[in-house]
Amino acid sequence: GEDVEQSLFLSVREGDSSVINCTYTDSSSTYLYWYKQEPGAGLQLLTYIFSNMDMKQDQRLTVLLNKKDKHLSLRIADTQTGDSAIYFCAETFSGGYQKVTFGTGTKLQVIP
Amino acid sequence: GEEVAQTPKHLVRGEGQKAKLYCAPIKGHSYVFWYQQVLKNEFKFLISFQNENVFDETGMPKERFSAKCLPNSPCSLEIQATKLEDSAVYFCASSQGTSDTDTQYFGPGTRLTVL
Repeated sequence: GEDVEQSLFLSVREGDSSVINCTYTDSSSTYLYWYKQEPGAGLQLLTYIFSNMDMKQDQRLTVLLNKKDKHLSLRIADTQTGDSAIYFCAETFSGGYQKVTFGTGTKLQVIP
Repeated sequence: GEEVAQTPKHLVRGEGQKAKLYCAPIKGHSYVFWYQQVLKNEFKFLISFQNENVFDETGMPKERFSAKCLPNSPCSLEIQATKLEDSAVYFCASSQGTSDTDTQYFGPGTRLTVL
């Protein structure tokens, strides 16, 4: 199966950390992505992680991968109001060639 | 260009009318993907191309939907006899297609509203 599940909504205060979680079922997935979608806009690739890694840090973003539990998380440090958006995790077997399967999306609301 | 371009930005059609959406991939990218995002944010893969050849069409509805990528022209997605449930945002993405590590770059989408 290719189900990717996320919680629908997350609300945090400005300056706090946000953690968005994702579970997937396809163990053959090689690349796992986090995309950001602002209202009325397209998809912005935030970061990605290969399945042979368990952590990746990129400025305020930290991605954790637990391959055994098929669990992926995105931590945003010092969350800002500009981080308010919908965040999608996604998986693919091959980033350049194969379709990407998206999660259901988590709407992040940052309260000033 | 350096971005995936999609036209039009918005498209309104009456039920039963035809809709045609266009996508210009990033220059030098040989793979093009079409995705449909319906109202509850759910993304559905439709079809992908390697240059002008269909690469994966497993998500493409059997009826009414067709797509092309012809040389020296934008790729297109066409819906014949649109239905209300075709209302969605249609995203196009492109990738270099040279490696598993390539990522797909998404366009801004075309919002199709079927009345």
